[in-house]
Amino acid sequence: QKEVEQNSGPLSVPEGAIASLNCTYSDRGSQSFFWYRQYSGKSPELIMFIYSNGDKEDGRFTAQLNKASQYVSLLIRDSQPSDSATYLCAVNGAGGFKTIFGAGTRLFVKA
Amino acid sequence: DAGVIQSPRHEVTEMGQEVTLRCKPISGHNSLFWYRQTMMRGLELLIYFNNNVPIDDSGMPEDRFSAKMPNASFSTLKIQPSEPRDSAVYFCASSQTDSQETQYFGPGTRLLVL
Repeated sequence: QKEVEQNSGPLSVPEGAIASLNCTYSDRGSQSFFWYRQYSGKSPELIMFIYSNGDKEDGRFTAQLNKASQYVSLLIRDSQPSDSATYLCAVNGAGGFKTIFGAGTRLFVKA
Repeated sequence: DAGVIQSPRHEVTEMGQEVTLRCKPISGHNSLFWYRQTMMRGLELLIYFNNNVPIDDSGMPEDRFSAKMPNASFSTLKIQPSEPRDSAVYFCASSQTDSQETQYFGPGTRLLVL
């Protein structure tokens, strides 16, 4: 079992819709969780981080964490074509230093 | 701030040659990470440094890979000898504290080993 699992997609949504990206992780002691966005040919950039159970909102983005289910998700409201990218889920283990990345989910937002 | 700087941006070399990738982290950041990204394996952490000290190199694929951080503003990742399966994009990232904080990625070095 991979340490951080994501559906590779592609996930295709129409412009203006909600895109839902999901991630599960295997280390129950994981402490912090990140979503990075990576455009084709570019480097990953952080969108959001979340440490506590529940929801965290930032503009059109909402991260959701459920530690009991070892599940973290990212919702993108009012999706735009510019949101088309690969979204990487990343998890820091109990030791805090080592970040494990998922394989990423490719998102396409159709105009 | 200039962000994380990596050089070269592209490298094409022949199998068996030595390859050296360079990274300058963001000033004031005390953690530095080297990643490798391929289509097959995704983004893999190779090694990370905290305060110039290697903390975990368990991701380094084999003895052909080595990394150094002689000071807070410079790190190298060396592959000797290089092999075609080393072809990938190598990213350097830095962060301000030991953990929890955002990692800022450099633009990456695209390595092709023929």
